[in-house]
This record gives sequence, C-alpha cells and structure tokens, in this order.
Amino acid sequence: GAVVSQHPSRVICKSGTSVKIECRSLDFQATTMFWYRQFPKQSLMLMATSNEGSKATYEQGVEKDKFLINHASLTLSTLTVTSAHPEDSSFYICSAPGGGKQSSTDTQYFGPGTRLTVL
Amino acid sequence: AQTVTQSQPEMSVQEAETVTLSCTYDTSESDYYLFWYKQPPSRQMILVIRQEAYKQQNATENRFSVNFQKAAKSFSLKISDSQLGDAAMYFCAYKGRGSNYKLTFGKGTLLTVNP
Repeated sequence: GAVVSQHPSRVICKSGTSVKIECRSLDFQATTMFWYRQFPKQSLMLMATSNEGSKATYEQGVEKDKFLINHASLTLSTLTVTSAHPEDSSFYICSAPGGGKQSSTDTQYFGPGTRLTVL
Repeated sequence: AQTVTQSQPEMSVQEAETVTLSCTYDTSESDYYLFWYKQPPSRQMILVIRQEAYKQQNATENRFSVNFQKAAKSFSLKISDSQLGDAAMYFCAYKGRGSNYKLTFGKGTLLTVNP
C-alpha cells in the first residue's frame, strides 16, 4: 500500500505557541489530503480538506484561523496550530487518497499521527 | 447525509476463533465504497479490506472477509483464526463515488483477543 508520513510523531509545547505538523505522501502524489483529530477512544473527526494550489476546505465548527493548512506541493501538506491552548491537545492524523494497488484514488492511506500536548 | 453505525463498542474473541464485527450504513447513493480500517495501540490506521458496492462478490484478504448485503446496507467483517495481533480498534468507513474522497467513519469497535 501507499505510504504517508507525519512529522513530528509527538510534540509538547507551551500555551500560546504555534506548532506545525507535516504530512507527506512518500511514493505517490496527492492533490488532496485530509486532516483529522481524534480524542481517546473515539472515532476520527474530519477537520479539513487540504487542496494543492488552493485554499483548504474546513468542516463546520473548525476555526480556520486557528488551524492553518498549507498544501505546498503534490506531496506535502502542513497543519499549523496557532496560539495553542491545552484544549488543542489531541491526536492529529492526516490521510491521502491514492497510490497502492487498490484502485488508485478511491482508498485513503493514513499517516501515523501526531500527538500534541499543550502545557 | 451518509451515516455509519457500529453497534458493538467492544468485542472479545479467543485466539484461533472467529469473530464478526457489525456495520450498517445509510445512504441514498447507489455507487460507493466501504472499508474496514484497523487502529492498533500504535494508533496507525491500517486498511484491512475494501468493498466496491457494484461488486456482488464479497471481498476477502487472507483471514479477513466481509459479508456485504447491499439491500440491507450491512457490511460486517469476519476475522478467522484470530491472532493476538488482531487486537485493535476497528472502524467501518463509507465513501461515495463522487464524494471528493471524504470518508464517513463509524464510532469503532474495540476488539480484544484473549490468549
């Protein structure tokens, strides 16, 4: 299957600082990537769709100015949590459709996730 | 809007036995995809199996198989010869063919495998 990486895997920051998380498709190109948030023992909550070359599309209730998304190239999307607060602590996961042996863009492949802790 | 329902928050199975995880969904679309993803303690989401709605044949991947009942909008996952490494959270997911790749997830089923 296709490989998606995320960096960093774990980050601890102070309240009020900004944190950037990178998502890369390693062996395929992705014009679209997705960012999810997951709380313990819960399902994935879609935050936004990252589009290469255009603005991201945010889900209802997600603050655009707080969660900045930049899709800089066909293999890289970044999520920046600005002015982070303890309530932003969570597990963030990215995904990208495409690649792999199973019918290209109809299957999403996930990064390993980033655990953000805001003190 | 599409919804995906996993009615079993937790399931357990003895090693080497078979277990079935349930998933139902609601949609007005006729063409779509269904997936089962596994999330082990590492929290890496791993694709287990994929089913295209227009294919009547149930998908299989080694010890994993599905029972896809399109009319009933049911998509259950059967794990045969369960192994300790199968212990994980399992998510059922839906994607419409024209839905811009977005997935709709169920709430998940936590599977425990007892030695």
